[in-house]
Amino acid sequence: AIRMTQSPSSLSASTGDRVTITCRASQGISSYLAWYQQKPGKAPKLLIYAASTLQSGVPSRFSGSGSGTDFTLTISCLQSEDFATYYCQQYYSYPITFGQGTRLEIK
Amino acid sequence: EVQLVESGGGLVQPGRSLRLSCAASGFTFDDYAMHWVRQAPGKGLEWVSGISWNSGSIGYADSVKGRFTISRDNAKNSLYLQMNSLRAEDTALYYCAKGVTGVGGGYFDLWGRGTLVTVSS
Repeated sequence: AIRMTQSPSSLSASTGDRVTITCRASQGISSYLAWYQQKPGKAPKLLIYAASTLQSGVPSRFSGSGSGTDFTLTISCLQSEDFATYYCQQYYSYPITFGQGTRLEIK
Repeated sequence: EVQLVESGGGLVQPGRSLRLSCAASGFTFDDYAMHWVRQAPGKGLEWVSGISWNSGSIGYADSVKGRFTISRDNAKNSLYLQMNSLRAEDTALYYCAKGVTGVGGGYFDLWGRGTLVTVSS
C-alpha cells in the first residue's frame, strides 16, 4: 500500500497567517491526490482534487500544488472557520490511503 | 436533497456480525462508485472498501479483507457493508462516501454523517 505522510502533525497559527501543510507519498502518485477538511463532529469536506483543482464552493484562499511524491496545501489568509484537521488522500491505486492528518489550531 | 444516510451501527460483541446500510438520494446512484471510510475515536480516516457502479470492481483495505463484504443495490439506491468476525479494532464511525466516477478508486465529493460501530464484550 502507498503510505501518505503529512507534516506537521499539528500546527498553531493566527487568523490572517499563511500556512502550508505537506503530504509525501511513499511512491509516485502523479497528481492523484485530494485534500479534505474535517471539523469536530462533522464529516470530511473535499477541498482540492487532482492535487491543485479547487472543489466548487471552496474559497480561493485554499490552494494545492505538487505531483509525483510531494504535495502541499496552502491557506493564504487564515480565517476563524479554517481551524480544523486536514487530510491528504491518494487515489492513484487501491488500497486508497489517507495521511494521518494535520490539526490546525488557533495560536 | 443530495445526501447519504448511514444506518445499522451499534454495540456488538467481538466475533459477531453487523450489516451497515447507506441510503443515497438526490443524485443518480448507479452512475457512481461508492465507498466506506471509517474513523476510530480520536483517530484519522481509514478507507475500508469501494465498489464500482456495476459492482464489477471491488476493493478492500488489508485490515478488513476476508471479513467484510461490500455490496450495492442500484434499484434501491443503497450501499451495504457486511462485517463479520468483528474485532475491537473495528470500533469506529463508519462513513458512506460517493466517488466522482463510476469506476473504483477516486476521491469523495459527498459524505454521510456516519454510523457508529462499537465492538466490545
